[in-house]
Amino acid sequence: NAGVTQTPKFRVLKTGQSMTLLCAQDMNHEYMYWYRQDPGMGLRLIHYSVGEGTTAKGEVPDGYNVSRLKKQNFLLGLESAAPSQTSVYFCASSYLAVGSSYEQYFGPGTRLTVT
Amino acid sequence: AQSVTQLDSHVSVSEGTPVLLRCNYSSSYSPSLFWYVQHPNKGLQLLLKYTSAATLVKGINGFEAEFKKSETSFHLTKPSAHMSDAAEYFCVVSGGGADGLTFGKGTHLIIQP
Repeated sequence: NAGVTQTPKFRVLKTGQSMTLLCAQDMNHEYMYWYRQDPGMGLRLIHYSVGEGTTAKGEVPDGYNVSRLKKQNFLLGLESAAPSQTSVYFCASSYLAVGSSYEQYFGPGTRLTVT
Repeated sequence: AQSVTQLDSHVSVSEGTPVLLRCNYSSSYSPSLFWYVQHPNKGLQLLLKYTSAATLVKGINGFEAEFKKSETSFHLTKPSAHMSDAAEYFCVVSGGGADGLTFGKGTHLIIQP
């Protein structure tokens, strides 16, 4: 049981390049989330998904797209990277909505630098 | 809408002394509250959670937190700090919706030898 895994762990992009971050979970969770973490800002929600084939915008969705083609995978895409997207990205998953007492399980993070 | 305020960005204590990390929250609903810990260059690990059962919640590694509705607080405590407790701590609230958690900005805990 690997929990939540993220690929890659590190990446450096030039401005304007594109990339996709992959999140995978093997816990059969319905909900999945992408956050970004910036110094002094805590974690902010980018996009989330409440089930296969569904996605929704979070607090800071601009410049990102997501897809949930399979229940176990949640992809985060940057179509044209900008230096403001330099951050650490965390994926998380949970059984149901967090208010039902099921906490979120986090991946180890992806450190992205855009030059 | 919900929000979280961690009252201290940095806390420094000596090893073996008590730890207090302060958190206030606001929520339109009966909230679920969490404390997560993040060690350097690591992911987030759940320390403890409150979900409307006992107001005093015990977590891992000797940490506990008390939910005080009248004060809208959820402070994290530990009787005796250990060097391995040095990390970033996040207070988190959920209003029960599907749109994830709302994080505080974090408290950096420093343990002096």
